[in-house]
Amino acid sequence: DIQMTQSPSSVSASVGDRVTITCRASQGVSSGLGWYQQKPGKAPKLLIYAASNLQSGVPSRFSGSGSGTDFTLTISNLQPEDFAIYYCQQAKSFPLTFGGGTKVEIK
Amino acid sequence: QITLKESGPTLVKPTQTLTLTCIFSGFSFNINGMGVGWIRQPPGKALEWLALVYWDDDKRYSPSLKSRLTIAKDTSKNQVVLTMTNMDPVDTATYYCARPYCRSGSCYVDYWGQGTLVTVSS
Repeated sequence: DIQMTQSPSSVSASVGDRVTITCRASQGVSSGLGWYQQKPGKAPKLLIYAASNLQSGVPSRFSGSGSGTDFTLTISNLQPEDFAIYYCQQAKSFPLTFGGGTKVEIK
Repeated sequence: QITLKESGPTLVKPTQTLTLTCIFSGFSFNINGMGVGWIRQPPGKALEWLALVYWDDDKRYSPSLKSRLTIAKDTSKNQVVLTMTNMDPVDTATYYCARPYCRSGSCYVDYWGQGTLVTVSS
């Protein structure tokens, strides 16, 4: 299985801040990387696929980059509705695997 | 509009078999490449992918759980059933039905059910 490691596990930030979350794969996944947002009691929501492609309807303040083993999710101009847990997922091979999550909290 | 909804028991006893059903609408297994799968999330923990069945009945399982899982589809009913044998308290989780979006050999989940919490306890 491909192991996905996210950092940090939590980050405190204020509205308007820029937040960066990293995800590292235990082996190369090319650009097969997705990012999800999950709010309490809700199912995850796909934000970005193929490392850098914004899912339809997702605000442009979300962006993704990277390839191979190292990836980044950036949230620019953090909004109140962005406080949530974010997960990366490698999409290249089965079993599909997720990172441990990063909680974005209000400072 | 694409929707998926899970149903099944909320409480099972250790060693019992769990059977979950996903009924979906807005798409069909008659479409080349279509699939439906299951993902779970223990309380306060990360997501874990379990199984996936494709339109052509190709099935993929989590290697660590493969011996305990069976996934099956009923195309005429737009339904997917997951069974998990020998349930243990560590299997307590919210179980999500999910539709993967696959492109260029990579699969993401673009539609999720609301999830159903299954507790394993005697």
